[in-house]
Amino acid sequence: SQQGEEDPQALSIQEGENATMNCSYKTSINNLQWYRQNSGRGLVHLILIRSNEREKHSGRLRVTLDTSKKSSSLLITASRAADTASYFCATDDFGSEKLVFGKGMKLTVNP
Amino acid sequence: KAGVTQTPRYLIKTRGQQVTLSCSPISGHRSVSWYQQTPGQGLQFLFEYFSETQRNKGNFPGRFSGRQFSNSRSEMNVSTLELGDSALYLCASSRDRAEDTQYFGPGTRLTVL
Repeated sequence: SQQGEEDPQALSIQEGENATMNCSYKTSINNLQWYRQNSGRGLVHLILIRSNEREKHSGRLRVTLDTSKKSSSLLITASRAADTASYFCATDDFGSEKLVFGKGMKLTVNP
Repeated sequence: KAGVTQTPRYLIKTRGQQVTLSCSPISGHRSVSWYQQTPGQGLQFLFEYFSETQRNKGNFPGRFSGRQFSNSRSEMNVSTLELGDSALYLCASSRDRAEDTQYFGPGTRLTVL
């Protein structure tokens, strides 16, 4: 079953603009992770935020987590064509000992 | 460190056949998870192995099975292939827990004709 749901499902922007993706989940979590997947390839881990953290930065990425709303957002600043990919949020169903991925969001950055 | 490797990268089979996919995790990683990815269902968890034991299992029929060897390498097997088994099969490894950061291989693209 899907835990995280990314929103929007697709986003098209121009190079240099910021891209924001949202993820909502249903159960209590220990952490939430974001991954990127280039077309038809393996996923690459971007960032992990723990349930006791509210915000985390990594380069051009900024992730926020609101456990009261069961939601997270991923902000990519100054986007590049190379950021074109699908982005997934993943949560650990509390106690389930596995990661559950959302269906993903396709980001297209036009040069 | 070498990343997660999966073999083969591409596979074409016919209905009714069986297939075995292989995954070598990052050195030192003991947890190996398998996922099936399709356009319709997204990324679905198949199972996870740790120290040669299946620690967790998703909602897939018994035709899907796996194992892990003492060197942490893992294989998954699908018997009596169906058209709907066509998918990208991804393997991921993590140090100890499946909930930790996962490092994915490039995947095996299986096409069932």
